[in-house]
Amino acid sequence: EPEVTQTPSHQVTQMGQEVILRCVPISNHLYFYWYRQILGQKVEFLVSFYNNEISEKSEIFDDQFSVERPDGSNFTLKIRSTKLEDSAMYFCASSEQVFNEKLFFGSGTQLSVL
Amino acid sequence: SQKIEQNSEALNIQEGKTATLTCNYTNYSPAYLQWYRQDPGRGPVFLLLIRENEKEKRKERLKVTFDTTLKQSLFHITASQPADSATYLCALYSGYSTLTFGKGTMLLVSP
Repeated sequence: EPEVTQTPSHQVTQMGQEVILRCVPISNHLYFYWYRQILGQKVEFLVSFYNNEISEKSEIFDDQFSVERPDGSNFTLKIRSTKLEDSAMYFCASSEQVFNEKLFFGSGTQLSVL
Repeated sequence: SQKIEQNSEALNIQEGKTATLTCNYTNYSPAYLQWYRQDPGRGPVFLLLIRENEKEKRKERLKVTFDTTLKQSLFHITASQPADSATYLCALYSGYSTLTFGKGTMLLVSP
């Protein structure tokens, strides 16, 4: 069964450093998403992406964050200058269509900012 | 503001019983509502989607109801098993491509 893959599974970084989280969405999916989950809290929407553009973004997704689809398969989330409060599990997801469509999630990248 | 509320306390039940989880929402007018399962350290996994014109949806031992008047969905697992132990998330679209999740209810099924 096709799945969303994320790398790395764990990332440790120093405050102020840049990190790039990588995702390979399901191949025939057109919509891509990033979510995060701080330990013990809910899964929070960050950004949706379609046709090489951001479709929607939340208040969390400020200027420190950016997304890119550098080639036909990868989808990345970059955090420019990490803060302690960026420590969380980051999930990538994809869907065939949008709106009322189910999402397929990856297993996540656990980001720890020291 | 829009809210999705799920019981924050864990639900403990015995194997074989029916588990019922509740999702209430405010300031949404959803055409669809979705339920996901999340295991510790893993991403959510889609379970069921129910449309506003469907009162009930079933899939194997799972049943979902959707009452747009009460602004509530109930999620049932019949003949529950220890393997059903997980956190169950309710989700609604709050924008064109923004799927918003509730905090989830942890279900613990004991043998």
